[in-house]
Amino acid sequence: AQSVTQLGSHVSVSEGALVLLRCNYSSSVPPYLFWYVQYPNQGLQLLLKYTTGATLVKGINGFEAEFKKSETSFHLTKPSAHMSDAAEYFCALRGPGGGADGLTFGKGTHLIIQP
Amino acid sequence: DAMVIQNPRYQVTQFGKPVTLSCSQTLNHNVMYWYQQKSSQAPKLLFHYYDKDFNNEADTPDNFQSRRPNTSFCFLDIRSPGLGDAAMYLCATSRGGGVQETQYFGPGTRLLVL
Repeated sequence: AQSVTQLGSHVSVSEGALVLLRCNYSSSVPPYLFWYVQYPNQGLQLLLKYTTGATLVKGINGFEAEFKKSETSFHLTKPSAHMSDAAEYFCALRGPGGGADGLTFGKGTHLIIQP
Repeated sequence: DAMVIQNPRYQVTQFGKPVTLSCSQTLNHNVMYWYQQKSSQAPKLLFHYYDKDFNNEADTPDNFQSRRPNTSFCFLDIRSPGLGDAAMYLCATSRGGGVQETQYFGPGTRLLVL
């Protein structure tokens, strides 16, 4: 069975500081990994995804993530936090069935930005 | 702009009274999904349609049904809502098939059961 673990239900950083949101996964086959952001009372917006190829993936709003197979990790980073980054972030995994498979989500990390 | 639309954004129903949530898409995608997201939890897949083929998750309660009358629309029917069914319901779409496919989410419908 597949699973996604996000370490830390809440992460607080100062504006301008590095953002690091941790995600580890478990999958018996090569995974397809995603990070989504959710603002209050809104749907999920894709930040970035890893399918194959380059392990360092760049996304929108200055976020990037690195796929590390040896560590089964896909941590999300941003060099300098902005107040507008405050939101819920979900790491997700899709199975080997390709585009029709549903996503398995982690429990989410609430990012708090301190002024 | 191509998008995923969910109506209504907020739905109040009574315990045991059937309710239908609606999703439409202008992306012409093959696959449509329904997720349930309870407060402070991760979204959980209920089922999906690949074209007309319905795929139910093993642990989705029988109380939840879905219909897809055409490519653009998909409905979530809750036959007898319980208090535990109060949640945000998210619709998503994808083209399906290739490994590059992304799921695009609608804004969600928040269901309150009284």
